[in-house]
Amino acid sequence: GAGVSQTPSNKVTEKGKYVELRCDPISGHTALYWYRQSLGQGPEFLIYFQGTGAADDSGLPNDRFFAVRPEGSVSTLKIQRTERGDSAVYLCASSLTTSSEQFFGPGTRLTVL
Amino acid sequence: LAKTTQPISMDSYEGQEVNITCSHNNIATNDYITWYQQFPSQGPRFIIQGYKTKVTNEVASLFIPADRKSSTLSLPRVSLSDTAVYYCLVGVPVNDKIIFGKGTRLHILP
Repeated sequence: GAGVSQTPSNKVTEKGKYVELRCDPISGHTALYWYRQSLGQGPEFLIYFQGTGAADDSGLPNDRFFAVRPEGSVSTLKIQRTERGDSAVYLCASSLTTSSEQFFGPGTRLTVL
Repeated sequence: LAKTTQPISMDSYEGQEVNITCSHNNIATNDYITWYQQFPSQGPRFIIQGYKTKVTNEVASLFIPADRKSSTLSLPRVSLSDTAVYYCLVGVPVNDKIIFGKGTRLHILP
């Protein structure tokens, strides 16, 4: 079956712009996670959803970052007033429940010029 | 979560067995040991998890000594396609988020 998909695969933007990154989880998976991975580092947790609600957003670096999952399926990570330091690969993962294996998407590579 | 220490990088050759050791001196009683694999331009992928002794699946084996303060991921007869970053994680399996370290960059040479 289809895995986790993320769009776009690459996004180049200018400093100060707004971006949206999309994640389509595996069908039926109730939990959805966002991570950020900088070059040479392991993925860093940002936020996770159980259904439509954000169960833990402790990893969001500041209030420029926001994520939604309005219908409990697709999620969008939104970054306002992008900064060069936001450049990274943004990974999405989903799992059947929060106690089961997380399946990762290929990521969106964000470059802020 | 228990802190883990693993080599930053390793090189090996095709056909060899590769062992990557992870230290986790402060592992708690309820903690499990989990390994993830990440290929270039892909997200991480779960490969194996264990609590004690030995676990084997179609991809790898995981050896955990009695004191559980370390563990060894064993990849039999590696190929070029095993070139990836391998992350050792320690924590409870029912976990709402994964805390990754820097991992071990394994480079397989022909």
